[in-house]
Amino acid sequence: DAGVIQSPRHEVTEMGQEVTLRCKPISGHDYLFWYRQTMMRGLELLIYFNNNVPIDDSGMPEDRFSAKMPNASFSTLKIQPSEPRDSAVYFCASRTTGAGQPQHFGDGTRLSIL
Amino acid sequence: GQSLEQPSEVTAVEGAIVQINCTYQTSGFYGLSWYQQHDGGAPTFLSYNALDGLEETGRFSSFLSRSDSYGYLLLQELQMKDSASYFCAVGSGYSTLTFGKGTMLLVSP
Repeated sequence: DAGVIQSPRHEVTEMGQEVTLRCKPISGHDYLFWYRQTMMRGLELLIYFNNNVPIDDSGMPEDRFSAKMPNASFSTLKIQPSEPRDSAVYFCASRTTGAGQPQHFGDGTRLSIL
Repeated sequence: GQSLEQPSEVTAVEGAIVQINCTYQTSGFYGLSWYQQHDGGAPTFLSYNALDGLEETGRFSSFLSRSDSYGYLLLQELQMKDSASYFCAVGSGYSTLTFGKGTMLLVSP
């Protein structure tokens, strides 16, 4: 079975540009999470969806960040405009309902803002 | 809010046993999980404890004491491929996790 699929794997762009990260969760999973990982701050939850509905976006750092989930098989995380401090690895994860169900992570997008 | 403490680095030799400790503070407890992450890779699930006691999965075991807000991951018969970062994570709601900063395990020959 296919796991969580993220694209692109790497993105290098200049400050001020719009960045769009994409995620396809595991089929049948009804929760989707976006994380950001840096050495300084570790793995931080940005936002999560349940049945395509955003439930908690309190981890989104600024209004420059937005996320959508138009259907059960696709989600995007957008940064506009991007800044060098947004450089990090962004992970998408999905899970099914149930206590203790594990989160399945994609391979991440390594984002560098110059 | 939630906070977790785990050592930043642990070293061991092949064949040895290593224990990675995790203490947590949380306003509501929804279980303690462990994830492994190899350098440049994705975090992968190892174990979950909702109740006190030991859970064993092959060479890996995880322990939880809710009264002490404490858990550990025990890795036995260490192999070079076990060199990775290990994260404890506490359920910060029914659906979400708060991750610790991770423990880097270095296994030497």
